[in-house]
Amino acid sequence: DVKVTQSSRYLVKRTGEKVFLECVQDMDHENMFWYRQDPGLGLRLIYFSYDVKMKEKGDIPEGYSVSREKKERFSLILESASTNQTSMYLCASRDRGPGNTEAFFGQGTRLTVV
Amino acid sequence: KNEVEQSPQNLTAQEGEFITINCSYSVGISALHWLQQHPGGGIVSLFMLSSGKKKHGRLIATINIQEKHSSLHITASHPRDSAVYICAVRSKTSYDKVIFGPGTSLSVIP
Repeated sequence: DVKVTQSSRYLVKRTGEKVFLECVQDMDHENMFWYRQDPGLGLRLIYFSYDVKMKEKGDIPEGYSVSREKKERFSLILESASTNQTSMYLCASRDRGPGNTEAFFGQGTRLTVV
Repeated sequence: KNEVEQSPQNLTAQEGEFITINCSYSVGISALHWLQQHPGGGIVSLFMLSSGKKKHGRLIATINIQEKHSSLHITASHPRDSAVYICAVRSKTSYDKVIFGPGTSLSVIP
């Protein structure tokens, strides 16, 4: 059974804290993604990675950074958390191809910044 | 105007009803996905379509590439179908770019 696992389901952090969201996949996928999901806005891509140590900015990278030191792990970092980063964060992974391939999602991390 | 739109935004149905959720998009695509998100957050892929129709159990997904439109149908709906259904398209021009619709929140009442 394929799995994308996010380290926390719920997280509460204070403004200004450094926050790490971890995502691990066991499918040997090259591509990994971090999204945030907000009511009425749908899923928006923050960053993605297509290989170890490689990263690309998505649509809303400001205030975030990522790390991919190992193929199976993709971390999202909030350097200094702010209240407008309160959101649901979803990690996904996908095989590179060829052709269209299915994405697998983690359970999500609901982050509240107070 | 959003590149991927869904209708309706919210839907309440009685158990047993036939349900249709619509998705329209304005970009060229290589594939369209229907996703299901239950309360609690996890997302599950239901279908990936590039043409025609697919069926899985009580779920049917269709796509009309010329009209840039897809529908997700649920037959004999059940309260466990209550979830948010999300349409997502894979851009034809940018292989890794996926654009998500805003989601349709479905509630099936016993």
